[in-house]
Amino acid sequence: AQSVSQHNHHVILSEAASLELGCNYSYGGTVNLFWYVQYPGQHLQLLLKYFSGDPLVKGIKGFEAEFIKSKFSFNLRKPSVQWSDTAEYFCAVNWLDTGRRALTFGSGTRLQVQP
Amino acid sequence: KAGVTQTPRYLIKTRGQQVTLSCSPISGHRSVSWYQQTPGQGLQFLFEYFSETQRNKGNFPGRFSGRQFSNSRSEMNVSTLELGDSALYLCASSPSAAHYNEQFFGPGTRLTVL
Repeated sequence: AQSVSQHNHHVILSEAASLELGCNYSYGGTVNLFWYVQYPGQHLQLLLKYFSGDPLVKGIKGFEAEFIKSKFSFNLRKPSVQWSDTAEYFCAVNWLDTGRRALTFGSGTRLQVQP
Repeated sequence: KAGVTQTPRYLIKTRGQQVTLSCSPISGHRSVSWYQQTPGQGLQFLFEYFSETQRNKGNFPGRFSGRQFSNSRSEMNVSTLELGDSALYLCASSPSAAHYNEQFFGPGTRLTVL
């Protein structure tokens, strides 16, 4: 069965620390990859996406992610976090081989940035 | 452009009742997807509608159904509510059903079943 794993459930960092959140998916094939963010009290927003091409993608607010096909991974990174990055982060995958568009989400990582 | 709107934002029902949730996509968007978010199961895909036709369906029982109108607005219905149906129901719209189109999420409807 298709699944997406986010191994870090809760991460606490100090401002200016570097961030890396892991995301692994269950099997290969052609995939579209996404990171969404949910700030407190707000709805899900797209941070960045990978469809094809350069495996290093840049998103909004200084976030980037690297697609490593051989590891079925799409880790999210930010060199220096800010207090305003406190939010829940979700990795999502769409397997194109299924012929349908249906995002499979990871369980989310709650990031808490301390000032 | 106005974002995706969902009504109502909060709903309380009792077991056995049925409920209808509404989603208005971003103007010009023709695809609407529904997701259920719970603390235990996370975000799970329910179904997707495009041009009034259900294109995809997730692994939910037949009590969960939906439809889309000619103006692309969508409704989701849950019949014979169970306690486990308590969740945040999210709607996402997209210009088309193409995989490369981003999905924009609404604020959700929080359903509590007592």
